[in-house]
Amino acid sequence: KQEVTQIPAALSVPEGENLVLNCSFTDSAIYNLQWFRQDPGKGLTSLLLIQSSQREQTSGRLNASLDKSSGRSTLYIAASQPGDSATYLCAVPYNQGGKLIFGQGTELSVKP
Amino acid sequence: EPEVTQTPSHQVTQMGQEVILRCVPISNHLYFYWYRQILGQKVEFLVSFYNNEISEKSEIFDDQFSVERPDGSNFTLKIRSTKLEDSAMYFCASSPRGEYGYTFGSGTRLTVV
Repeated sequence: KQEVTQIPAALSVPEGENLVLNCSFTDSAIYNLQWFRQDPGKGLTSLLLIQSSQREQTSGRLNASLDKSSGRSTLYIAASQPGDSATYLCAVPYNQGGKLIFGQGTELSVKP
Repeated sequence: EPEVTQTPSHQVTQMGQEVILRCVPISNHLYFYWYRQILGQKVEFLVSFYNNEISEKSEIFDDQFSVERPDGSNFTLKIRSTKLEDSAMYFCASSPRGEYGYTFGSGTRLTVV
């Protein structure tokens, strides 16, 4: 059974700092891994998707890496800004039917 | 950019009442999903729908729940007799293929009183 864990549960950093969010999964036979952002009381916005054959994926100040063999992914945020404050979720598809298994999220607060 | 649209954004209902949550997925997507998130907990899978039938459902998705795609554009989740523990944010999502390309809606916050 696939389980997804994220640490830390919450993180508070000063503006401008680079930071790393961690995601681990128990079954390394994944199709891909996706990072989402969730603002309070809002929906899920897809940030990055890394295919199982990829090692990393970049979008602007965000860089996600994937190490399937160790069951880990990291989301690196460069030069953090207050607007980055949100909860970040990682998720993996359980099967080809697309059921996503989510981690519990990391709540990020970037202080001005 | 195409969006998944959910209505209503908030719904308050009395325990025992039926509710219907509505979603308009992206038009050329083939897979449709409902997820829920109880306050402070993980986002949980409820059901996936493909080729006009349920392809997978979770233990949560019992006989009180049903899904429909009545007209080729809307995708609905019905809860027949709501319980207090059904209070949650419900998210609809769609994807062109089962394993990637998900787009989520902004959610319906359901409060059962």
